Amino acid sequence: GAGVSQSPSNKVTEKGKDVELRCDPISGHTALYWYRQSLGQGLEFLIYFQGNSAPDKSGLPSDRFSAERTGGSVSTLTIQRTQQEDSAVYLCASKLSGAYEQYFGPGTRLTVT
Amino acid sequence: LAKTTQPISMDSYEGQEVNITCSHNNIATNDYITWYQQFPSQGPRFIIQGYKTKVTNEVASLFIPADRKSSTLSLPRVSLSDTAVYYCLVGDNTNAGKSTFGDGTTLTVKP
Repeated sequence: GAGVSQSPSNKVTEKGKDVELRCDPISGHTALYWYRQSLGQGLEFLIYFQGNSAPDKSGLPSDRFSAERTGGSVSTLTIQRTQQEDSAVYLCASKLSGAYEQYFGPGTRLTVT
Repeated sequence: LAKTTQPISMDSYEGQEVNITCSHNNIATNDYITWYQQFPSQGPRFIIQGYKTKVTNEVASLFIPADRKSSTLSLPRVSLSDTAVYYCLVGDNTNAGKSTFGDGTTLTVKP
């Protein structure tokens, strides 16, 4: 079956512009995570959605970052007024409720010039 | 969430067994231990999960001592294609919440 997909795969933007990153989770997966991975670093948790519950936004680094999940499926991560330090790979993962295994998408590589 | 500590890097040779240890002194009663593998330019991929003692699947084994304050991922007879970053993750799935990945262990397998 289809895995987690993310778009775009690569995004180059100018400093100060807004960007939207999209994640399509595996059908039926109620939990969805966003992570950020800078070059050569580990994964940094950003935000977590579980069903209809309020998302856990505790990992968002600033108020320039926001995310939403529509209809319990597709999620969009928005970064406003991008900065060069936002350059990283943004990974999305989904999982079944009650399961531990997360399924990751291929990521979106964001470059802010 | 329990903090995890892993070696930053390890080197091995083809055909050898590799053991990567993760420390998690503050593991909670409900926490499970999960290991992921990440190749360059890809998202992490689940390898194995366990709660206590030993778990084995077709890819690896996971050894967890009685106090559960550490765990060891064992990769039998590694090949060049096992060169990757390995992450140890400790978390409680019964309470919805964030997961925390550390910096991982970069395993380099040499011919």
